[in-house]
Amino acid sequence: GENVEQHPSTLSVQEGDSAVIKCTYSDSASNYFPWYKQELGKGPQLIIDIRSNVGEKKDQRIAVTLNKTAKHFSLHITETQPEDSAVYFCAAQRGTNAGKSTFGDGTTLTVKP
Amino acid sequence: SQTIHQWPATLVQPVGSPLSLECTVEGTSNPNLYWYRQAAGRGLQLLFYSVGIGQISSEVPQNLSASRPQDRQFILSSKKLLLSDSGFYLCAWVRVRLAVYNEQFFGPGTRLTVL
Repeated sequence: GENVEQHPSTLSVQEGDSAVIKCTYSDSASNYFPWYKQELGKGPQLIIDIRSNVGEKKDQRIAVTLNKTAKHFSLHITETQPEDSAVYFCAAQRGTNAGKSTFGDGTTLTVKP
Repeated sequence: SQTIHQWPATLVQPVGSPLSLECTVEGTSNPNLYWYRQAAGRGLQLLFYSVGIGQISSEVPQNLSASRPQDRQFILSSKKLLLSDSGFYLCAWVRVRLAVYNEQFFGPGTRLTVL
């Protein structure tokens, strides 16, 4: 089955700096890669996703890149703000697999003011 | 718009007691539904998923069971809770489409503590 590894497990940055979180996946048939943000005590919220036919996608301060050959994808947050502090999860999904996603273990991002 | 509800929000139960967690989705029909468990500081472990009424697939052997009595209702149950059942339980849904990409949306979660 699919295996998703996420690094780093914790990340601390100064407000205004950039943050990068990286994930690798094992199943070359995976074709959809969402990122979720989870605040304390809440359910994860989808913040951005990328499909296998696209190499990069950007939404304001958030961007995701995908390298299908190397089987890795990354989340980039620029101009970080204290409200970006949360746990971030990457996931990989194979389109024919009943919508099931395999998740990374999460990255706890702390943005210091 | 679509909304997903879970209740209760928090639950403290003694070992050996039964469990029933409920999840309902509004604003969509025939969704795929999922139950995940999240241990403290860890990722999401898929427990069950359902592609339709009465159709349940189990991902891991465990002390829990799931049922889908209605199209937009998903229930997680146990006859006798174990200490290891403690965790944050999340329900999620996916709108089934002809396209292969399926955005997954999560509920607010239930925090279960077994003492």
